[in-house]
Amino acid sequence: KQEVTQIPAALSVPEGENLVLNCSFTDSAIYNLQWFRQDPGKGLTSLLLIQSSQREQTSGRLNASLDKSSGRSTLYIAASQPGDSATYLCAALSGYSTLTFGKGTMLLVSP
Amino acid sequence: GAGVSQSPRYKVAKRGQDVALRCDPISGHVSLFWYQQALGQGPEFLTYFQNEAQLDKSGLPSDRFFAERPEGSVSTLKIQRTQQEDSAVYLCASSLGLRGGTDTQYFGPGTRLTVL
Repeated sequence: KQEVTQIPAALSVPEGENLVLNCSFTDSAIYNLQWFRQDPGKGLTSLLLIQSSQREQTSGRLNASLDKSSGRSTLYIAASQPGDSATYLCAALSGYSTLTFGKGTMLLVSP
Repeated sequence: GAGVSQSPRYKVAKRGQDVALRCDPISGHVSLFWYQQALGQGPEFLTYFQNEAQLDKSGLPSDRFFAERPEGSVSTLKIQRTQQEDSAVYLCASSLGLRGGTDTQYFGPGTRLTVL
């Protein structure tokens, strides 16, 4: 059974810092690895999707990497802003339907 | 265009009551997913539909949970004889159903169920 772990559970940084969120998964037989953002009381918003054959994806200030062999992914956020404050979830897709999520990293960026 | 919508947004039920949660996916999306998210946890997969066919229900925690999507569009998650441990946010997501690891799921805002 796939298990996804995210470290740290919570992170507080001042505005402008670069930061890295970590995700690890136990079963490397994945179709893709996805990063989501969740704001309080709202659903999840997809940020980046890395297919199993890819090493990284970039969108604006966000960069996600994937190392299948070691079962790890990282989300790098450059020049953090208060609007980046949210919970960040990573999820591994095993099979056509089974997305397994980590518990998330709660990020607070203070002005 | 409109995203995934869910109703009601909040539901309070007494233990033992039946509840029905509705999901309206993005128009044209073939795949529909239900997840359960307990407080402080990540979402956990419940069930998956491709059009009207329920292809995977391995995540449903008990036979009190039932989901349907009779016309391949709107879906309903029904929970019978609710228990306190059913209290959670129930998320619905839909996608185009692309293969090859490129499919992106779009999530609704969720229904927060509280069982007293």
